Amino acid sequence: QQPVQSPQAVILREGEDAVINCSSSKALYSVHWYRQKHGEAPVFLMILLKGGEQKGHEKISASFNEKKQQSSLYLTASQLSYSGTYFCGTAPTPDSNYQLIWGAGTKLIIKP
Amino acid sequence: NAGVTQTPKFRILKIGQSMTLQCAQDMNHNYMYWYRQDPGMGLKLIYYSVGAGITDKGEVPNGYNVSRSTTEDFPLRLELAAPSQTSVYFCASSQSRISSNYGYTFGSGTRLTVV
Repeated sequence: QQPVQSPQAVILREGEDAVINCSSSKALYSVHWYRQKHGEAPVFLMILLKGGEQKGHEKISASFNEKKQQSSLYLTASQLSYSGTYFCGTAPTPDSNYQLIWGAGTKLIIKP
Repeated sequence: NAGVTQTPKFRILKIGQSMTLQCAQDMNHNYMYWYRQDPGMGLKLIYYSVGAGITDKGEVPNGYNVSRSTTEDFPLRLELAAPSQTSVYFCASSQSRISSNYGYTFGSGTRLTVV
């Protein structure tokens, strides 16, 4: 089952915050986050592993609630460079890297 | 540090023609993948490989074939191209086991148009 991302799209002004959610109907071992800029390949941001950890990457951080089977990506004080489509990918076990299931993506537009 | 190299970057094919999309990685990854991405959509897995000599179908394998004779190379073959195969194709590779620091590495993509 494809994880559900919300919202589908969001438009922000530079400096505003955004939250992107990724929910699965199945038990998860890991949630993976990628950003894809227009016309480019997806780029790896971070992986959250089972255990409810929170990770950070510059002003982008994420959390993983394994009980709720949900992850959230937080973009703080957004910059123009944050524009793009954000995809989550989910995996059920540590050995299931080849079974990554991708969400449909959340398009983020940052305006000056 | 090349990562994942895809060729060609662009290609126009006529209906019924065949072609091979090349993909090579230099990170000694066991796992490799082929995805297609239609405009405004997400990634759909075509084929994947967990090691040399081992390949398996993904979500949308019809009309495509793959081979994996070496760890480094994972070419995708399109036979009898159809307009429905117009898309952007991404090759990717990864480690076998999920770790908190390493995700998929994608190639820069091949934009294919079938006319």
